[in-house]
Amino acid sequence: KNEVEQSPQNLTAQEGEFITINCSYSVGISALHWLQQHPGGGIVSLFMLSSGKKKHGRLIATINIQEKHSSLHITASHPRDSAVYICAVRREETSGSRLTFGEGTQLTVNP
Amino acid sequence: EAGVAQSPRYKIIEKRQSVAFWCNPISGHATLYWYQQILGQGPKLLIQFQNNGVVDDSQLPKDRFSAERLKGVDSTLKIQPAKLEDSAVYLCASSLVPGSEQYFGPGTRLTVT
Repeated sequence: KNEVEQSPQNLTAQEGEFITINCSYSVGISALHWLQQHPGGGIVSLFMLSSGKKKHGRLIATINIQEKHSSLHITASHPRDSAVYICAVRREETSGSRLTFGEGTQLTVNP
Repeated sequence: EAGVAQSPRYKIIEKRQSVAFWCNPISGHATLYWYQQILGQGPKLLIQFQNNGVVDDSQLPKDRFSAERLKGVDSTLKIQPAKLEDSAVYLCASSLVPGSEQYFGPGTRLTVT
């Protein structure tokens, strides 16, 4: 079993829909990252959080440390949001700050 | 501010050949990471540098992979000899200090035939 599990693996939505991507992890962490990867490979960091909630534009990320769970929400989705969304955690005991990544959620937003 | 630069963007080689990738991190970033991302999977850390020293190379296949960051700035990752299963995107990332936000380069897509 992977230490970081994402769901769903694939998600197709219509433009304007509210989208939720989930991430569960099984280890103690010091931080959780949400990343966006577009075709071609480039990765952009969306959020880094260790508690509570963060918001940036139409994106909202929440984390529940007790339940070892995080969600990424996209409000008013748009075709340009189509990408792979990756959850990654930094384990508590990792002195070198190694990130452990989920396998990603492929999001497709249709016009 | 310039981002993380990588070259080449694409490389196709035959198995048993050698290949090298180059990364130039964001200026002032002391920490540099090399990741391997196989199609359909999340990235896997190969090696982490702090300045010119290795912090974590526990997942680097040292029989064929090597990396260096001699002057604590640019880094090269080499595979010698390549195997079919090395086909992947190789991502370089940097951060100001360990644990701070990582900034990723565009990646090098390697195909081994």
